[in-house]
Amino acid sequence: EPEVTQTPSHQVTQMGQEVILRCVPISNHLYFYWYRQILGQKVEFLVSFYNNEISEKSEIFDDQFSVERPDGSNFTLKIRSTKLEDSAMYFCASRIAGGPTDTQYFGPGTRLTVL
Amino acid sequence: AQKVTQAQTEISVVEKEDVTLDCVYETRDTTYYLFWYKQPPSGELVFLIRRNSFDEQNEISGRYSWNFQKSTSSFNFTITASQVVDSAVYFCALSEAIKIQGAQKLVFGQGTRLTINP
Repeated sequence: EPEVTQTPSHQVTQMGQEVILRCVPISNHLYFYWYRQILGQKVEFLVSFYNNEISEKSEIFDDQFSVERPDGSNFTLKIRSTKLEDSAMYFCASRIAGGPTDTQYFGPGTRLTVL
Repeated sequence: AQKVTQAQTEISVVEKEDVTLDCVYETRDTTYYLFWYKQPPSGELVFLIRRNSFDEQNEISGRYSWNFQKSTSSFNFTITASQVVDSAVYFCALSEAIKIQGAQKLVFGQGTRLTINP
């Protein structure tokens, strides 16, 4: 069964460094999302992406964040200058629109630790 | 604004007991979708069910069942004859109908940590 994959599974970085989290969505999906989950808390929406542009973003998704679909398969989240409070699990999700399977399928997540 | 409330932070039961996880939501939309996701200790988010707002029929899938009541804005999840493998954090989530193409973000509740003891 096709699934969303994410790399790396765990990233440790120093405060102020740039990180890029990578996701490979399910191949025929058209809508892509990033969410984050601070340890022990709920899952929060960051951004949605469709037709090569951001369709919606939350207040969390400030100028330090950016997303890109550099080729036909990858979907990336970049954090330009990481802060301690960026430490969280980051989930990528993808969705195919319409029909009974129209739901968001999540990747296994990347745990980001900012020191 | 949309909001999902899971008032039960933690539930602990003994194996084979039935357990119900509560979910109450708020939305101004007349068309919306409700979801349940499971997050086992390994951390991934596993999709369990999607229900749209105009389908109030209850659903059963094996030991799992869902009760959607629009009148009380609730979408509760029951596990019958619970098993140790059901131990996980369970999230209820809500998304609006399509207004912005490509959006339909999920709004999650705080989650309920369910522990099934042998």
